[in-house]
Amino acid sequence: QVQLQESGPTLVKPSGTMSLTCAVSGASINSNDLWPWVRQSPGKGLEWIGEIDRSGTTTYNPSLESRVTISVDQSRNQFSLRLSSVTAADTAVYYCARKSYNWNYAYDYWGQGTLVTVSS
Amino acid sequence: EIVLTQSPGTLSLSPGERATLSCRASQSFRSKYLAWSQQKPGQAPRLLIYSASSRATGIPDRFSGSGSGTDFTLTISRLEPEDFAVYYCHQYDNSPPNTFGQGTRLEIK
Repeated sequence: QVQLQESGPTLVKPSGTMSLTCAVSGASINSNDLWPWVRQSPGKGLEWIGEIDRSGTTTYNPSLESRVTISVDQSRNQFSLRLSSVTAADTAVYYCARKSYNWNYAYDYWGQGTLVTVSS
Repeated sequence: EIVLTQSPGTLSLSPGERATLSCRASQSFRSKYLAWSQQKPGQAPRLLIYSASSRATGIPDRFSGSGSGTDFTLTISRLEPEDFAVYYCHQYDNSPPNTFGQGTRLEIK
């Protein structure tokens, strides 16, 4: 059974940098799948942040690209998100997920999500 | 960027009725990269349909998807109480970025 679990600080100060890690179990990061981050502001819809493949190649949402870094750690079977210069607008539930190569890159597994609040 | 517009915003129906949810794209894309997901309060989205019309593992056959180009539809043939939730369409063909529709809330009438 594939499981993804987000972890990291849930309270970040304005202008600071948030960091989250997604631990993957039941599947290997070293596969043809893609590993995205998606966020959802309170009461709002879903926003794709970016994604990474096993070689570390990344694609980012142009609206966030200047502030986002996604990285992968194959030895730990996890991938990470860093978002710099955060503001209250970055307060959201952050999800990591898997886009399955076998299913035309559909988002077949999601983490439970973690609420990150930007506040002083 | 492909903008996905879902309609209606809210759909009020009773258990046993048929639900038809629409997703319209601002430009055409390959239907193999269109999916539908269901989200319940406090939960992550759950994949229902991928490649526009293929059901994900464990999804009941009352859920079906159709469409191509710019117009896609999710149909729930007979609503069960557990089907009342928010439904999102999303595309990952023309990327970056992947985009999601704003969601259709399916509520009990």
